[in-house]
Amino acid sequence: QKEVEQNSGPLSVPEGAIASLNCTYSDRGSQSFFWYRQYSGKSPELIMFIYSNGDKEDGRFTAQLNKASQYVSLLIRDSQPSDSATYLCALHTGNQFYFGTGTSLTVIP
Amino acid sequence: EAGVAQSPRYKIIEKRQSVAFWCNPISGHATLYWYQQILGQGPKLLIQFQNNGVVDDSQLPKDRFSAERLKGVDSTLKIQPAKLEDSAVYLCASSLGTDEQYFGPGTRLTVT
Repeated sequence: QKEVEQNSGPLSVPEGAIASLNCTYSDRGSQSFFWYRQYSGKSPELIMFIYSNGDKEDGRFTAQLNKASQYVSLLIRDSQPSDSATYLCALHTGNQFYFGTGTSLTVIP
Repeated sequence: EAGVAQSPRYKIIEKRQSVAFWCNPISGHATLYWYQQILGQGPKLLIQFQNNGVVDDSQLPKDRFSAERLKGVDSTLKIQPAKLEDSAVYLCASSLGTDEQYFGPGTRLTVT
């Protein structure tokens, strides 16, 4: 079982809609969780991190963490074509960082 | 504030040759990471340094890969000898502590 699982997509949403990206993980001892955005041919860019159960909001982005169910999600409100990218879920457990394979998001104008 | 610098940006070598990548982290960042990202996959952590000490290198193929971070600043990652399956983007990242990582532009390696 992989440490981090993501639906590879592609996920398509119309401009202005809410995009919902999900991630599950296997290690209950995981300490912190991250969402990165990666444009094609570019390096990952940190969007948000979350440590505690519940929601964390930053602008149009909301990260949600549920440790009991071992999932973390990212909501993007008012999606824009510029949000079209691959979104990587990552976690920190012990000394290791694990990334998912990413979900490809396309926002259709 | 300058970001993480990496060089070269692109490298093409033949299998069994050696190659080295260089990384300069964000000033003041104590932690430095090297990742391998194969096309279509997420980054895989190869090695993590805290200052000039190794925190974790459990996923580094030590028979062919080596890394060092002398003086706790710049770092080099070396592959010797390279294999076809080493074709990937090698990403360097740095952080103040151990969480919020900032990535460099990466080095795209093609092994033929």
